[in-house]
Amino acid sequence: TQLLEQSPQFLSIQEGENLTVYCNSSSVFSSLQWYRQEPGEGPVLLVTVVTGGEVKKLKRLTFQFGDARKDSSLHITAAQPGDTGLYLCAGLGFGNEKLTFGTGTRLTIIP
Amino acid sequence: DAGVIQSPRHEVTEMGQEVTLRCKPISGHNSLFWYRQTMMRGLELLIYFNNNVPIDDSGMPEDRFSAKMPNASFSTLKIQPSEPRDSAVYFCASSLGQVTSNEQFFGPGTRLTVL
Repeated sequence: TQLLEQSPQFLSIQEGENLTVYCNSSSVFSSLQWYRQEPGEGPVLLVTVVTGGEVKKLKRLTFQFGDARKDSSLHITAAQPGDTGLYLCAGLGFGNEKLTFGTGTRLTIIP
Repeated sequence: DAGVIQSPRHEVTEMGQEVTLRCKPISGHNSLFWYRQTMMRGLELLIYFNNNVPIDDSGMPEDRFSAKMPNASFSTLKIQPSEPRDSAVYFCASSLGQVTSNEQFFGPGTRLTVL
């Protein structure tokens, strides 16, 4: 079974601070996705990283895929209250559409 | 587009009753996924279909769970008989069906409570 461990599990910081969320696995994935989920809603895709070492930026969010394609990180600069939510990483297997979701990081940004 | 539609949004039932959850995927999407989310186990894939055919049902907990996709615009997830440990939020998602870098679009979920 492929497992994706996220850390930290919970994070509460002040508006304006920076933070990093980690997603780690012992398995290799064909690609890695990051989703954000808000209360009462389904997850929404933020980004997909495909190539080992790839870095993608989405405004204040920076996503990186590990060289070995087993891990990923999400860095948020100058966090805003609108960044509050549950962040989920998800690894895509090879030759199929099966996503394995991480354990999740619940982020709270305090105004 | 209305997005993925799920019904009901909330379901409260008693142990032993049959529960049917419904999903309408985004028009034109070829793959449909059923997930279950709990605090303890996170978001788990139960089953997924491609072109209405079940591809992987290894996540279906046991024989009490069954899923069907009679056509491209409708799927059901049935639990019979339901048990308290089935209480969770059940999500349906759909995608274009591309193996590489696919994006899954999730519905709002059905919150199931089994008493």
